[in-house]
Amino acid sequence: KQEVTQIPAALSVPEGENLVLNCSFTDSAIYNLQWFRQDPGKGLTSLLLIQSSQREQTSGRLNASLDKSSGRSTLYIAASQPGDSATYLCAVSRGGGADGLTFGKGTHLIIQP
Amino acid sequence: DVKVTQSSRYLVKRTGEKVFLECVQDMDHENMFWYRQDPGLGLRLIYFSYDVKMKEKGDIPEGYSVSREKKERFSLILESASTNQTSMYLCASSLTGGWGYGYTFGSGTRLTVV
Repeated sequence: KQEVTQIPAALSVPEGENLVLNCSFTDSAIYNLQWFRQDPGKGLTSLLLIQSSQREQTSGRLNASLDKSSGRSTLYIAASQPGDSATYLCAVSRGGGADGLTFGKGTHLIIQP
Repeated sequence: DVKVTQSSRYLVKRTGEKVFLECVQDMDHENMFWYRQDPGLGLRLIYFSYDVKMKEKGDIPEGYSVSREKKERFSLILESASTNQTSMYLCASSLTGGWGYGYTFGSGTRLTVV
């Protein structure tokens, strides 16, 4: 059974720092990996999607990498801002890609002004 | 952009009531999903559907059922609500074969059973 682990569970850094969030998964047979952001009491907002054949994806100050063989992904946030404060969730596709996602428990990020 | 709309942001129901949570997506996605999210447990898959009138059990289907009469609508039903079903419920959709597009989530329904 696929398990997804996110480290650290919580992180607090001063504004302006670059930071890395980590995600690992136990079964490398995935179709894609998706990073989400969740604000308190809200739904999930998709940040980046990496297909299994890709190594990384970038969107603005965000960069996500995927090393499928080692079962790892990282989300890099450059020049952090207070508005980046949220919980970040990593999820990998189940089965044939249409069977839902398996989620990590998230990293709760606080950017101090 | 695909939009997934959950009809209620907050619901308060009594123990034993039959509860319907509604989800609608507007981009002709074949697949729809219901998750619940609890502190310390993360998101867990309850049920999913890959076509009209089709349904598949996820990891925690007990106490729930689903209905998908139209492609755009996926309902989660709590047959007899219990306090341990107090949770945040999230609906999602995806495109079959559209692995490059990922999954889109709704804004969630916070259900409290008293």
